[in-house]
Amino acid sequence: KQEVTQIPAALSVPEGENLVLNCSFTDSAIYNLQWFRQDPGKGLTSLLLIQSSQREQTSGRLNASLDKSSGRSTLYIAASQPGDSATYLCAVKTPGGSARQLTFGSGTQLTVLP
Amino acid sequence: DAGVTQSPTHLIKTRGQQVTLRCSPKSGHDTVSWYQQALGQGPQFIFQYYEEEERQRGNFPDRFSGHQFPNYSSELNVNALLLGDSALYLCASSDTGATGELFFGEGSRLTVL
Repeated sequence: KQEVTQIPAALSVPEGENLVLNCSFTDSAIYNLQWFRQDPGKGLTSLLLIQSSQREQTSGRLNASLDKSSGRSTLYIAASQPGDSATYLCAVKTPGGSARQLTFGSGTQLTVLP
Repeated sequence: DAGVTQSPTHLIKTRGQQVTLRCSPKSGHDTVSWYQQALGQGPQFIFQYYEEEERQRGNFPDRFSGHQFPNYSSELNVNALLLGDSALYLCASSDTGATGELFFGEGSRLTVL
């Protein structure tokens, strides 16, 4: 059974700092990995999708990497801003019988202080 | 281009009642999935619909049921509500033939008293 862990559960940084959020998964045979942002009480906004054959994806100040062999992904946020404050969730899709569902971590709650 | 839309946004029910939540997928998407998110937790997969049939189901009891219509929109029904059913219910859509990226709606916040 796939399990996804995100550490730390919460992170507070000053504005302008570069930061890394971590995601680990137990079954390395994944189909893809997706990073999401969630504002309080809101839905999920897709940030980046990495297919199993890819090593990284970039969008603006965000860069996500994937290392399947070690079961890890990182989300790098450059020059953080107060507007980046939110909960960041990673989710993996695993091939086979469960290919149609995402398994989520519990998220990292990020606070960027002005 | 409208994204995934869900209704209602908030609702309050009492134990034992029944609730129906609705979802319209992103334009061009044919697959709808439902997730339950308890406070402080990641979303948990309930089930997925494609071609008006349930393709896969997570670890949820039969009190949770769904439907997909010919226009790809979907409903989630929960019978005999329990206090523990209080959560944010998220609908996600995807295009079966594309990258597999899921797009989520804003959710329906259900409170069971």
